[in-house]
Amino acid sequence: GDSVTQMEGPVTLSEEAFLTINCTYTATGYPSLFWYVQYPGEGLQLLLKATKADDKGSNKGFEATYRKETTSFHLEKGSVQVSDSAVYFCALSGLGGTASKLTFGTGTRLQVTL
Amino acid sequence: GAVVSQHPSRVICKSGTSVKIECRSLDFQATTMFWYRQFPKQSLMLMATSNEGSKATYEQGVEKDKFLINHASLTLSTLTVTSAHPEDSSFYICSAVRNAGAGDTQYFGPGTRLTVL
Repeated sequence: GDSVTQMEGPVTLSEEAFLTINCTYTATGYPSLFWYVQYPGEGLQLLLKATKADDKGSNKGFEATYRKETTSFHLEKGSVQVSDSAVYFCALSGLGGTASKLTFGTGTRLQVTL
Repeated sequence: GAVVSQHPSRVICKSGTSVKIECRSLDFQATTMFWYRQFPKQSLMLMATSNEGSKATYEQGVEKDKFLINHASLTLSTLTVTSAHPEDSSFYICSAVRNAGAGDTQYFGPGTRLTVL
């Protein structure tokens, strides 16, 4: 079945550091890929998505590129801020679109310090 | 933006009792809602798909008689954990789908932490 593997946390960075959170997936066909973020005490929010190979999703300075050849969707940000501290989830949808069933990774906690 | 609420945010109950968790879409109608379960340091696991006006679709391994889902209106779905036991203790998260033109968008609630003593 479908699965998502993402790097374990926590990831601790200083403000303005470069962020990479790795995510790889296993799926049949051509899934859509997503990054969700969960801030403390809040629900999951869609951060960005990509629906086909070589698409780049971006939002709030975060980027991720759908790499079919390496089955990866790594999350990057050039300069993190304290306000980026949260848990980040990589997810896929085998049927396409966010409304379809989502398969999530385990989540990676990011802690950004001054 | 679209808001999904869950009530209660946390609940503690005795073993053998039943607990109802509500999921509401506050500013949009949702024909489809999803219920997830999350164990500590693990990913969200889809339990079931809740469709307004019809029976829920449960994922393999999820007991439908244990986790009763009712989607009685376009803004409310409920999950009832019947005869709860300590192993049912978990974080339960719902999401609601808003149809938005060409693409559907899934919005998540903040979750409900259930502790069964």
